[in-house]
Amino acid sequence: QVQLVQSGAEVKKPGASVKVSCKASGYTFTAYGISWVRQAPGQSLEWMGWISPYSGDTDYAQKFQGRITMTTDTSTSTGYMELRSLRSDDTAVYYCAIGIAVAAGAFDIWGQGTMVTVSS
Amino acid sequence: EIVMTQSPATLSVSPGERATLSCRASQSVSSNLAWYQQKPGQTPRLLMYGSSTRATGIPARFSGSGSGTEFTLTIGSLQSEDFAVYYCQQYNNWPETFGQGTKVEIK
Repeated sequence: QVQLVQSGAEVKKPGASVKVSCKASGYTFTAYGISWVRQAPGQSLEWMGWISPYSGDTDYAQKFQGRITMTTDTSTSTGYMELRSLRSDDTAVYYCAIGIAVAAGAFDIWGQGTMVTVSS
Repeated sequence: EIVMTQSPATLSVSPGERATLSCRASQSVSSNLAWYQQKPGQTPRLLMYGSSTRATGIPARFSGSGSGTEFTLTIGSLQSEDFAVYYCQQYNNWPETFGQGTKVEIK
């Protein structure tokens, strides 16, 4: 079955970087773009950006421009999201998500989430 | 960016009753609107996309309507498993944006 499995929880100090992975299985990895969405505790969902595993093209939300990088490794069907210069308000659950059986832009498959805690 | 506004913030409903949730976009998103359900400690679950198309496995008691800037998610007869937070999302323009959520709680 289609599955996205993310890396484990992270604790980082302010100013550090974090890199979250998202390993895909059960479908052709290069056929669907991967989006990253985060959710701060008790808050709504926030779209961070998108990457095409086929072309490597990316699109980042302006809010994260300059401190976010999304990449993929097609040899291992894994996507990565790196966020730099972490602040306390970056504390959140980070999700990777794709849309397979739906309109482009909606997400029917989600990773289990990775909790990133930023604290001194 | 497009701002999505959901109302009400909290909806208290008795099991078996109908629930109506609203979502408004700050500018037209055509029918490029999705709804998600999220229970505590769980990942979001896609309910609807294209404003009114149910995702795979979603029961028929869930229905969506609207286009442009006004959208509605209706739950026909609330079951115990439907008490959760619901988010709308527009994917007509980047950045894709979500509403702040409507919590459906037991009355």
